[in-house]
Amino acid sequence: RKEVEQDPGPFNVPEGATVAFNCTYSNSASQSFFWYRQDCRKEPKLLMSVYSSGNEDGRFTAQLNRASQYISLLIRDSKLSDSATYLCVVNWGAGKSTFGDGTTLTVKP
Amino acid sequence: DTGVSQNPRHKITKRGQNVTFRCDPISEHNRLYWYRQTLGQGPEFLTYFQNEAQLEKSRLLSDRFSAERPKGSFSTLEIQRTEQGDSAMYLCASSLDGTDEAFFGQGTRLTVV
Repeated sequence: RKEVEQDPGPFNVPEGATVAFNCTYSNSASQSFFWYRQDCRKEPKLLMSVYSSGNEDGRFTAQLNRASQYISLLIRDSKLSDSATYLCVVNWGAGKSTFGDGTTLTVKP
Repeated sequence: DTGVSQNPRHKITKRGQNVTFRCDPISEHNRLYWYRQTLGQGPEFLTYFQNEAQLEKSRLLSDRFSAERPKGSFSTLEIQRTEQGDSAMYLCASSLDGTDEAFFGQGTRLTVV
């Protein structure tokens, strides 16, 4: 079993849809959590950190459930430009991080 | 541009040759990471530096791989006797001490033929 697991998708949704991704992790000592976005053949870019209380940035909402060891990302009112691969990242110490393999989202007109 | 810079962007080499990649982190970042990424996979951690000290190394980092960060600024990743399985994108990232929010360079795409 991988340390960080994501549904690879692809998720194909129409513009304006709401879509949610989940990510589960196995290391209970994990300390910090992030979502990154990666466009095709580009580097990952930090989308948002994930806090225990949940956090929102515009159309994006991230949630953390430590008891069940999963994090989620909700995208509301999807735009064509949201099409990308979304990577979940779990850190359990300085320099100790594991990426999921990503979930691919395609938003269609 | 004050982001993470990697050179070269692309490298094609023959099997058995040695290659070296360079990473210049964001100037005030003292944490530096190397990752490897293949198609359809997330980045796999290779190694981590805090200033000039290499504090973590993945089991993936065989003895053909070596990384340095001699003055705590730029870093190099060398692969000796390259194999076809080394073909991948090699990504460098940096972060401020005390934070895990890492910023990535554009990567070096290695093709071993």
